[in-house]
Amino acid sequence: QKEVEQDPGPLSVPEGAIVSLNCTYSNSAFQYFMWYRQYSRKGPELLMYTYSSGNKEDGRFTAQVDKSSKYISLFIRDSQPSDSATYLCAMRETGNEKLTFGTGTRLTIIP
Amino acid sequence: KAGVTQTPRYLIKTRGQQVTLSCSPISGHRSVSWYQQTPGQGLQFLFEYFSETQRNKGNFPGRFSGRQFSNSRSEMNVSTLELGDSALYLCASSPDRGSSKNYGYTFGSGTRLTVV
Repeated sequence: QKEVEQDPGPLSVPEGAIVSLNCTYSNSAFQYFMWYRQYSRKGPELLMYTYSSGNKEDGRFTAQVDKSSKYISLFIRDSQPSDSATYLCAMRETGNEKLTFGTGTRLTIIP
Repeated sequence: KAGVTQTPRYLIKTRGQQVTLSCSPISGHRSVSWYQQTPGQGLQFLFEYFSETQRNKGNFPGRFSGRQFSNSRSEMNVSTLELGDSALYLCASSPDRGSSKNYGYTFGSGTRLTVV
């Protein structure tokens, strides 16, 4: 079993819809949680960064972390065609710079 | 502000050869990490360098090695290339290492290595 599980999709939603992306994990030592967006032929781009449990909002993006359930989510409001990309969750332990990634969810926003 | 620069962008090598990839971090960033991305395994951690020292290593064979220079630029080397080494190799930099809550990791666009 992988340390971080993420549904690979693909996920297709109409423009303007709310998108929900999720990851589960098994390592209770993970304290830092990130969401990256990766366009084709590009490197991952950091979207959200959260420490421990709680919510964080940045524009149309909201990240949620529930450490008791070992479950993290990314919500995208008012989705746009430019949001079409692969979304990767990533996590790390305190004092360890190694990021453990989910496999990524491929998202397509249909105009 | 320049991002993380990786060179070359594309590379084709023959099985058994060796290859060196280069990464220039964001100015002022001192920690550099390397990842391998493949369709089957996703992103996997190779190693991390800080102050010219390898601080952490992933579960890869000894054919994969790296180094960091005094200006924080980093190189990774793969010797005796195998077909399975074909992948996108990504470099990421961050300002520092430790328990800071306030930074993320900025990735370069990667070097796509094809082994034939």
